[in-house]
Amino acid sequence: KQEVTQIPAALSVPEGENLVLNCSFTDSAIYNLQWFRQDPGKGLTSLLLIQSSQREQTSGRLNASLDKSSGRSTLYIAASQPGDSATYLCAVRSGAGSYQLTFGKGTKLSVIP
Amino acid sequence: DVKVTQSSRYLVKRTGEKVFLECVQDMDHENMFWYRQDPGLGLRLIYFSYDVKMKEKGDIPEGYSVSREKKERFSLILESASTNQTSMYLCASRTGYEQYFGPGTRLTVT
Repeated sequence: KQEVTQIPAALSVPEGENLVLNCSFTDSAIYNLQWFRQDPGKGLTSLLLIQSSQREQTSGRLNASLDKSSGRSTLYIAASQPGDSATYLCAVRSGAGSYQLTFGKGTKLSVIP
Repeated sequence: DVKVTQSSRYLVKRTGEKVFLECVQDMDHENMFWYRQDPGLGLRLIYFSYDVKMKEKGDIPEGYSVSREKKERFSLILESASTNQTSMYLCASRTGYEQYFGPGTRLTVT
């Protein structure tokens, strides 16, 4: 059964720092991996999706990488801002025919002005 | 822009009441999902639907049922609400690769 882990559970950084959030998964036979952002009391917003054949995806200050063989993905945030404060979740879809996503429990990021 | 809407942001119900949570998507997506999210437990899948009138149990279906009579609408039903169903409920839809979420319904059962 696929398991997804995100470490650390919480992270606090000063504004302007570059940072990396980590996601690891136990079964490397994945179809794709998706990074989400969740603000307190709100739904999830999709940030980036990486297909299993891709190594990375970029959107603005965000860059997500995927290393399937080692079961890892990272989300890199450049020049962090207080507005980046949120919980970041990664989720793995195990196969094209799989309906389910397996979620990590998230990393709560605080960017201090 | 993909839009997934949920009928209520906040809901307070009494134990034993029948509760309906509605979710609507405007993207003609085939797949729709209901999750609940609890502190320390993360997101857990309750039910999903891969087509109209088709449904599958997720990881925690006990105490819930669903209905999908039209492609755009997926309803979660709590037949007899209990206090342990107090939670944040999130609906999502997907076609192809990417999954999109609604804003969530915070349900409190007293």
